[in-house]
Amino acid sequence: GAGVSQSPSNKVTEKGKDVELRCDPISGHTALYWYRQRLGQGLEFLIYFQGNSAPDKSGLPSDRFSAERTGESVSTLTIQRTQQEDSAVYLCASATPPADTQYFGPGTRLTVL
Amino acid sequence: TQLLEQSPQFLSIQEGENLTVYCNSSSVFSSLQWYRQEPGEGPVLLVTVVTGGEVKKLKRLTFQFGDARKDSSLHITAAQPGDTGLYLCAGEDQAGTALIFGKGTTLSVSS
Repeated sequence: GAGVSQSPSNKVTEKGKDVELRCDPISGHTALYWYRQRLGQGLEFLIYFQGNSAPDKSGLPSDRFSAERTGESVSTLTIQRTQQEDSAVYLCASATPPADTQYFGPGTRLTVL
Repeated sequence: TQLLEQSPQFLSIQEGENLTVYCNSSSVFSSLQWYRQEPGEGPVLLVTVVTGGEVKKLKRLTFQFGDARKDSSLHITAAQPGDTGLYLCAGEDQAGTALIFGKGTTLSVSS
């Protein structure tokens, strides 16, 4: 496929468990973004990767959230000790700077019980 | 803090009606983008407006960027059920890295 893919599409977990969400960007896209979308809300920026530069982590809501990216490929977003307020759709987008078009994946819907 | 306020939050209309969605801020943005998001999918870019006062047309959709680059509007003529979805406006943050999104307008068009 040529688009951004994310897995799993849905994840249900119990409060206190750790979860790992995966994003496969479009091949060749050096920029990768993670956003969170709570029900009825817009998208909230979490973290940004650009090539081999240090990631911009300014949007991460707490130290329970972390993300990694290997080179210009796959990224994983990890949430430790999940809380009910972490329930949301987590969206990943990739882009090729300096173009400003971000291409979004379908998202992972996380439900914390 | 840069914020984008969208109105209305919800809009339910009949096929064939016209509608306008607004995106307002107290901050100046170098550009604003409009996205459409369908359930279970990520947002898809519709248009980017860059110049103050700019008007862009995409078939039945007309996008306008305010002269002061603080606001934008999306006008849909003769809405169709296929226009149903969440419409989001977004602008680059001051660092120029990520996008700041409004909360969106949920549009429902009935036939």
